[in-house]
Amino acid sequence: QGQLVQSGAEVRKPGASVTVTCQASGYIFFSYYMHWVRQAPGQGLEWMAYIDPRAGTTNYAQKFQGRVTVTRDTSTDTVYMKLSSLRYDDTATYYCSLMSSRDYWGQGTLLIVSS
Amino acid sequence: QSVLTQTPSGSGTPGQRVTISCSGSSSNVGNNYVSWYQQLPGAAPKLLIFRDNERPSGVPDRFSGSKSGTSASLAIGVLRSEDEAEYYCAAWDDSLDGWVFGGGTKLTVL
Repeated sequence: QGQLVQSGAEVRKPGASVTVTCQASGYIFFSYYMHWVRQAPGQGLEWMAYIDPRAGTTNYAQKFQGRVTVTRDTSTDTVYMKLSSLRYDDTATYYCSLMSSRDYWGQGTLLIVSS
Repeated sequence: QSVLTQTPSGSGTPGQRVTISCSGSSSNVGNNYVSWYQQLPGAAPKLLIFRDNERPSGVPDRFSGSKSGTSASLAIGVLRSEDEAEYYCAAWDDSLDGWVFGGGTKLTVL
């Protein structure tokens, strides 16, 4: 059974950056794109980006273009999501997910942006 | 404002059949498969339906999905108290080259 394990909660000041990690196990890492989805408190789900783990190619939602960078390390089956120039409204839980019939989601990483 | 449109809330009594709707456009629901997710408070979303009407292993058959044109529906055939949750539809959007979600439907079991 596969799983995605994310890094722990973070607190950052406005303008700072944060990197959230997602380590995959139990399935072939190259077989599925990895997506990032976030959820602000009391709000709905919002897709942010994906990466093709094999090629390393990425695509970002227009809303996050220029602020988000997704990379991967194929030696450790880990995907990284860096969000820069943080704003208060980036406070949310961030999930990595395969967004496929293989219903693998990370446990979520809470990011709080506060001065 | 979500790309896919869902009714914000719904309710039903145990044993009742309820339906949750999701409306999109030709670039998403009309041209790509729809997935449905259930989310309990404090938990990650759980896949209920993929490819419009397929259930992952372990999802009860009282959950079913359908699609017609640019609209999709999730039906819960026999409502149970544990079905009280938030439900989201999702589809790939060809114009945005990414996933789009509905705003969610909060289902209350009375």
